[in-house]
Amino acid sequence: EAQVTQNPRYLITVTGKKLTVTCSQNMNHEYMSWYRQDPGLGLRQIYYSMNVEVTDKGDVPEGYKVSRKEKRNFPLILESPSPNQTSLYFCASNRASGANVLTFGAGSRLTVL
Amino acid sequence: RKEVEQDPGPFNVPEGATVAFNCTYSNSASQSFFWYRQDCRKEPKLLMSVYSSGNEDGRFTAQLNRASQYISLLIRDSKLSDSATYLCVVTPYNNNDMRFGAGTRLTVKP
Repeated sequence: EAQVTQNPRYLITVTGKKLTVTCSQNMNHEYMSWYRQDPGLGLRQIYYSMNVEVTDKGDVPEGYKVSRKEKRNFPLILESPSPNQTSLYFCASNRASGANVLTFGAGSRLTVL
Repeated sequence: RKEVEQDPGPFNVPEGATVAFNCTYSNSASQSFFWYRQDCRKEPKLLMSVYSSGNEDGRFTAQLNRASQYISLLIRDSKLSDSATYLCVVTPYNNNDMRFGAGTRLTVKP
C-alpha cells in the first residue's frame, strides 16, 4: 500500500530534550515536506526537500532541522524543543512532475512541557 | 494579509442541503489550486484540483475566479459523511510551494 509513515504518533516530552520524528514513504517520491498544524493557522510548511541531500526552509523553520540522506526518509529533528513547538506535525510527499498531489502521513501530536 | 484566507465556519447544515465555501488568495501569479478534506484528527487528503474552466466530481463542484482571486467549492445534496474540515490550497510561487488556508469546518446534521 502506498503510504507515508511517521513515528511517533504521540509524544509528550520536556523542554530541551532532543527528539526526532521519523518519516518514510514507499512511493519513490522526489519531494518530501514537513508541516505543523495549529488552530486558526492552518498547515504551515517547516522544511521541504526536492531530492536526496537537497533541503530548504519553509515558512517556519526556526527550532527544527531535517536531513535527506535517502530518498524514502525525511526525519524532523527538534534539537531543543520548547513549549511553542507543541503542535500536530504532518510529513508529506509528492512526485516532482505531473500533478503535485500531496500524500500525508497520519500525523504526530507533540506536546512539549 | 494572509496568502490564503477561508471563512473558518463552522457551517452547520441539514442533510440534503447545498453549501458553498469560498477561499481568497493574495498572489495573482498563483498557478495551482486544490481543495483538501481533513477529518477530525486525521491527515488531509486531496478532494479535488481546481481547473480554470471549473470542474465537477459527483456532488462537488470547484470553480476558480482569477480576476477576483478566489476559488469556491460547492457541495450539493450534503451527506452526513461530508462533515469535515475543507482546506483550500494554493501554489503562489511555484508548484511545490503549497500554501494552506486554515480550513472551513462543515457539519452536516440529520
